Amino acid sequence: NAGVTQTPKFQVLKTGQSMTLQCAQDMNHNSMYWYRQDPGMGLRLIYYSASEGTTDKGEVPNGYNVSRLNKREFSLRLESAAPSQTSVYFCASRPGLHGQETQYFGPGTRLLVL
Amino acid sequence: DAKTTQPPSMDCAEGRAANLPCNHSTISGNEYVYWYRQIHSQGPQYIIHGLKNNETNEMASLIITEDRKSSTLILPHATLRDTAVYYCIVRFDSGTYKYIFGTGTRLKVLA
Repeated sequence: NAGVTQTPKFQVLKTGQSMTLQCAQDMNHNSMYWYRQDPGMGLRLIYYSASEGTTDKGEVPNGYNVSRLNKREFSLRLESAAPSQTSVYFCASRPGLHGQETQYFGPGTRLLVL
Repeated sequence: DAKTTQPPSMDCAEGRAANLPCNHSTISGNEYVYWYRQIHSQGPQYIIHGLKNNETNEMASLIITEDRKSSTLILPHATLRDTAVYYCIVRFDSGTYKYIFGTGTRLKVLA
């Protein structure tokens, strides 16, 4: 199993450009998450999807949209990138069943917005 | 989910036990305590979790006080590879899907 995979690994954007960060998991997990981590800071939750077909806002959703394409994939879109969105983005998944709350993280996408 | 408080940084000598404290004074009766760590810029890694009893696995031990208002993660024989940021999280074990991380404790293991 590959676990949680993210593409791309690195990306440089100009202000105003759009892009989609891709995340996929092969563990048949119900719940998926997008976090951002700014330098020297902890992770902040952007959006999450409790199960296929549902999405909800986290702590810092402004400037982002998400799509739970199917059970495996959860994408994060920046419609008009801003320098404040320069960060490392982590995707995570968890079984979403009672008693199985451990999250599994991807390797991250490093985004620089100029 | 209850809020947690952790010291921003700690040092530990290689081979010694590393004891990382976490305060969660507003924890409710059915909230679990979870610990994760993040090595360099990798994605966080699960370590251990518990409700009220002490827990041990191959990576660490978790000691939760009787009143559950604080806990300590113990790495029994710290190595240089344990240098990381350690996050303490409290949450319900079902129903609430939000999963909120704090700023964690930066542990540096010294040779």
